[in-house]
Amino acid sequence: AQKITQTQPGMFVQEKEAVTLDCTYDTSDQSYGLFWYKQPSSGEMIFLIYQGSYDEQNATEGRYSLNFQKARKSANLVISASQLGDSAMYFCAMREGRDGGATNKLIFGTGTLLAVQP
Amino acid sequence: DAGVTQSPTHLIKTRGQHVTLRCSPISGHKSVSWYQQVLGQGPQFIFQYYEKEERGRGNFPDRFSARQFPNYSSELNVNALLLGDSALYLCASSRQSSYNEQFFGPGTRLTVL
Repeated sequence: AQKITQTQPGMFVQEKEAVTLDCTYDTSDQSYGLFWYKQPSSGEMIFLIYQGSYDEQNATEGRYSLNFQKARKSANLVISASQLGDSAMYFCAMREGRDGGATNKLIFGTGTLLAVQP
Repeated sequence: DAGVTQSPTHLIKTRGQHVTLRCSPISGHKSVSWYQQVLGQGPQFIFQYYEKEERGRGNFPDRFSARQFPNYSSELNVNALLLGDSALYLCASSRQSSYNEQFFGPGTRLTVL
């Protein structure tokens, strides 16, 4: 069965430091997509970054990068130069199948609560 | 362009009642998905609709149903509410049935007393 595991319930980081949020996944599919979302206390899920299973290079979006290690089935999120506004819940998610497939169902992990300290 | 909108933002119901939640996708997006997020957990997939057809269904009882209208907006209906249905209900839209980015709305927080 498909599964996303986030083993860090909470993390602290000092402002301007980098932080890594862990994510491991389990799937028997060869084609899949991995996502990270940010959820502030307001509740809205904000898309951060996407990595396709066939992408050879790690995805980057501004201060966000995804450390994709396919053999280890891990997709860790790295946030560089943390800001106070980065304090939020972070969710790792997986979608099975290639783009253009039948469904875009996402399977989410339990999340990591990040607190950025001044 | 407006993002995904959901209504109402908050709702309080009692056990056994029925509720309808509404979602309007981003203009040009044809796919709408619904997720339930119970406090302290990640969102769980309920339904996906694309071009008014059901494309996916999660592991939820038949009390949950949904539909998509010609303008691609969507409704989620829940009958015979239980206390355990209390959650944040999130709607997400994307351009196609399967696409890199899904954009989420602000959610509807349902409390069942």
